[in-house]
Amino acid sequence: DAGITQSPRHKVTETGTPVTLRCHQTENHRYMYWYRQDPGHGLRLIHYSYGVKDTDKGEVSDGYSVSRSKTEDFLLTLESATSSQTSVYFCAISGGPGDEQFFGPGTRLTVL
Amino acid sequence: QQQVKQSPQSLIVQKGGISIINCAYENTAFDYFPWYQQFPGKGPALLIAIRPDVSEKKEGRFTISFNKSAKQFSLHIMDSQPGDSATYFCAASRNAGKSTFGDGTTLTVKP
Repeated sequence: DAGITQSPRHKVTETGTPVTLRCHQTENHRYMYWYRQDPGHGLRLIHYSYGVKDTDKGEVSDGYSVSRSKTEDFLLTLESATSSQTSVYFCAISGGPGDEQFFGPGTRLTVL
Repeated sequence: QQQVKQSPQSLIVQKGGISIINCAYENTAFDYFPWYQQFPGKGPALLIAIRPDVSEKKEGRFTISFNKSAKQFSLHIMDSQPGDSATYFCAASRNAGKSTFGDGTTLTVKP
């Protein structure tokens, strides 16, 4: 998976609790992305980063925040998890805009 | 507003047949059109990609056909094999780097 790891791989949590997902890369790629994948909706971009401390919103950013303090780490935080955020979350990296994106193995999050 | 529409949602093909998946986009600023393949429990992986300066790109059994005027592109899988059974996503992006994905097509190749 192109030097991308996601943690945790599986998580079950309760509504209202904060959750942080971590994406770690060893490729030194500048761009990092967080997507969620739901049946019938494909992959939808939540947030992305184009450098350390440089982030921007995607199409489904409400209820999510991100941080990138180091090139290799991109964190996705659900401040107060809701059942609608039950999904599989994928991190991706790319060397530049319009370049191939390499995806991590995914995190399956269940919010009860 | 869905910027990339993919069809069909599911596809069943016999071994040796041709699989065709179509995508249509709306934003004429898109300049990169990749196709991703995803197996169950795995992340998507780039299969083949095209830029709008060419109308066709072929890599082995996989071909992308691109029609800029119609704002459509398609994936053709020749001599489809059971190992090709997976979910396929088209995507489109512009220089800013953000990609918009289609909803996916689940391909089943029957032996």
